Amino acid sequence: QVQLVESGGGVVQPGGSLRLSCAASGFAFSRFGMHWVRQAPGKGLEWVAFIRYDGSSQYYADFVKGRFTVSRDNSRDILYLEMTRLRVDDTAIYHCAKDLMRGYTYGVDYWGQGTLVTVSS
Amino acid sequence: DIQMTQSPSTLSASVGDRITITCRASQSFSSSSWLAWYQQKPGKVPKLLIYKASTLESGVPSRFSGGASGSEFTLTISSLQPDDFATYYCQQYYSPPWTFGQGTKVEIK
Repeated sequence: QVQLVESGGGVVQPGGSLRLSCAASGFAFSRFGMHWVRQAPGKGLEWVAFIRYDGSSQYYADFVKGRFTVSRDNSRDILYLEMTRLRVDDTAIYHCAKDLMRGYTYGVDYWGQGTLVTVSS
Repeated sequence: DIQMTQSPSTLSASVGDRITITCRASQSFSSSSWLAWYQQKPGKVPKLLIYKASTLESGVPSRFSGGASGSEFTLTISSLQPDDFATYYCQQYYSPPWTFGQGTKVEIK
């Protein structure tokens, strides 16, 4: 069965950095685009970033562009999110999620449980 | 960037009711294929209900349906069941950044 397990969250000061990981299993990771989506406590869903199945393209939400970098290691089935210059409003649970279909982004069908990032002084 | 505006923000309804949630995009899509709907319950991850605006994800009950007309998309539940009380989100995949609507909370009346 498909499993996505995030790690790397924690408490960090404003301006600090964190690297999130998402370990994937149960599907052909190298064939699917992957997303990061976040949700602040009590708030709605925010799409953060996407990386193509082969890592050749990445897209970002405007509010993270230039600060966050998404990458993947298809040899180890791991997705990453490098977060720098963190702000208080980046505080959220960060989920990785798998594209529904190979080659197209019509939606995401599996989500990890998420890792909590708290940015606070 | 495409903004997605959902309405209403909150909907109070009873079991058995037919309800419709609307999601309006700030610009039209060349095709309605790039819209998905998710259901989220408290403390749970979102669940994909519909993709390509009207295609039901495997295992989703047929009381859920999606529609599209121009830049307006709808999610309809034909007969609300106790398990359907949740928050619903639309998301566009037409053009990155792939934005979500702000959510519609369906409450028990």
